[in-house]
Amino acid sequence: AQKITQTQPGMFVQEKEAVTLDCTYDTSDQSYGLFWYKQPSSGEMIFLIYQGSYDEQNATEGRYSLNFQKARKSANLVISASQLGDSAMYFCAMRPNNNDMRFGAGTRLTVKP
Amino acid sequence: DSGVTQTPKHLITATGQRVTLRCSPRSGDLSVYWYQQSLDQGLQFLIQYYNGEERAKGNILERFSAQQFPDLHSELNLSSLELGDSALYFCASRGTHNYGYTFGSGTRLTVV
Repeated sequence: AQKITQTQPGMFVQEKEAVTLDCTYDTSDQSYGLFWYKQPSSGEMIFLIYQGSYDEQNATEGRYSLNFQKARKSANLVISASQLGDSAMYFCAMRPNNNDMRFGAGTRLTVKP
Repeated sequence: DSGVTQTPKHLITATGQRVTLRCSPRSGDLSVYWYQQSLDQGLQFLIQYYNGEERAKGNILERFSAQQFPDLHSELNLSSLELGDSALYFCASRGTHNYGYTFGSGTRLTVV
């Protein structure tokens, strides 16, 4: 069974600093996708970034980058230059081999002014 | 606007009742997924439909059922509702050549 683990229930970061949100996963599939979603207090799920298991380079999308360490089964999200609007729940998710997507428990990020 | 439309946004109903949640996927997306987000269980996958056919089932209770219609919209039916069914229910859709899912804004169900 696939399992996604986010060990940080809550994180704090100072505005303009970088923060890393941890995610580890477990799967026996060779082909899978890794995703990060943001859920602000308004409730919607916003797609942030995607990494394929065969991608050799770490994915980047603006201020978001995914630190992919395949051997460690780790897919940490790095947010650079944090902004107050980054305060939200962040979910790591995995979609193995064209199956349905499963989510971690989430990390609540609070950006301090 | 993500392109995935869910109605209603909020729903309050009594225990024992039945409700129907509706989802219209993004134009052209054939796959529809339903998720339940509760405080103690996180985001749980319920069920997937692809072009009208059920493709995968997750932690969906027998009291819950879903279908996808020829116009590709989907409905999630929740019956014999219990207090513990109170949650945010998300619909997501995916295109054939996309990896990720696009989520709707969710339906917040409160069972009283």
